[in-house]
Amino acid sequence: EVQLLESGGGLVQPGGSLRLSCAASGFTFSRHAMSWVRQAPGKGLEWVSGITGSGDSANYADSVKGRSTISRDNSKNTLYLEMNSLRAEDTAIYFCAKDLVVLTVGRAFDVWGQGTMVTVSS
Amino acid sequence: DIQMTQSPSSVSASVGDRVTITCRASQGISSWLAWYQQKPGKAPKLLIYGASSLESGVPSRFSGSGSGTDFTLTISSLQPEDFATYYCQQGSNFPRTFGQGTKVEIK
Repeated sequence: EVQLLESGGGLVQPGGSLRLSCAASGFTFSRHAMSWVRQAPGKGLEWVSGITGSGDSANYADSVKGRSTISRDNSKNTLYLEMNSLRAEDTAIYFCAKDLVVLTVGRAFDVWGQGTMVTVSS
Repeated sequence: DIQMTQSPSSVSASVGDRVTITCRASQGISSWLAWYQQKPGKAPKLLIYGASSLESGVPSRFSGSGSGTDFTLTISSLQPEDFATYYCQQGSNFPRTFGQGTKVEIK
């Protein structure tokens, strides 16, 4: 069964840092681009960042560019999102998502994790 | 950034109704459009990719059409399990962007 399991969320103070992880199973992880998508409470979906299967190329939303780094360890089938200088507006559920298309980030997401909640508050 | 605008923002419908949701891109995106269904407290689920290709396991009452800037998701005969929020997403340019969502409610 194809599965994504996020972890690492929690309560963090403004200006703080957090590293989210997403453990993948049931598919050839290194062949697929992966992304992080977030959803603020009661709001819509926002794509945050994506990375190619090999990890050689990454893209970011303007809202997190310069404050976040996406990475992956294909030997551990794990995706990461390092977030720094966190703000109240970063409060959201963070989903990791698998790309349907093998070579390109973010054409469509066919598998999603259950999400991990990040709350930025003092 | 490409803006994705969905209409309507919400729709009230009955079981058996035909429901149409539209999504307009602020610039051409060819056929790089996906549709998702999200139920409360759950992750989104992919319904349609490439504007009109039905994801495996998705009922055939769901269909998508369009190219360029104008796209449509149609539910041919609404079922009880279809009451949810629907999002479009463009996969043409970075950053990838979603529409604001359309909530399908019970009439």
